[in-house]
Amino acid sequence: NAGVTQTPKFQVLKTGQSMTLQCAQDMNHEYMSWYRQDPGMGLRLIHYSVGAGITDQGEVPNGYNVSRSTTEDFPLRLLSAAPSQTSVYFCASSSGRLAGVSTGELFFGEGSRLTVL
Amino acid sequence: AQSVTQLDSQVPVFEEAPVELRCNYSSSVSVYLFWYVQYPNQGLQLLLKYLSGSTLVKGINGFEAEFNKSQTSFHLRKPSVHISDTAEYFCAVRLTGTASKLTFGTGTRLQVTL
Repeated sequence: NAGVTQTPKFQVLKTGQSMTLQCAQDMNHEYMSWYRQDPGMGLRLIHYSVGAGITDQGEVPNGYNVSRSTTEDFPLRLLSAAPSQTSVYFCASSSGRLAGVSTGELFFGEGSRLTVL
Repeated sequence: AQSVTQLDSQVPVFEEAPVELRCNYSSSVSVYLFWYVQYPNQGLQLLLKYLSGSTLVKGINGFEAEFNKSQTSFHLRKPSVHISDTAEYFCAVRLTGTASKLTFGTGTRLQVTL
């Protein structure tokens, strides 16, 4: 079972460069999200989507763009990379959004470690 | 808005000793509560969850947590830890009846030694 797949696993960028982190899930989940993990700060939500064509901002959206053209894919774009965006990025998905019995359990990818010089 | 506090950033413990990882939340409405575990260089995986019903919740790998509404706490416990339990543990809260947007705590690093 593939689950949530993130690519690349590692990336080094120079300040000002742009790139896209890919995320794909094969569980037919409606909800997908991007988090960044920084030491001492836990996981912070960047953007999320409750279905194809629907996206919204999380806690720390600045400098990032997302789109959701299919149920399976939820890419995260860094428009002009900055050293402050050095972090580990996690994509996560879950089934159900407003369902009364939704468990809200998130399934995570293995992470993408980004370094911006 | 909801928030989660994990006061202990690191918890060292000897193998076979009991452990408690503390989690307190703040919310004016009903919540769902979760504990996730992150092993080195891996993504997070669900350890256990409280949605409703019994306040004592059992999870994988012998862990359990108790929901205490009056104390707004959801502490994680294990009676006897193993070296393989060394990992980072995250408490998370989500409001009931909303989209699956979780708020995570800052994490507690559990270090088990011989």
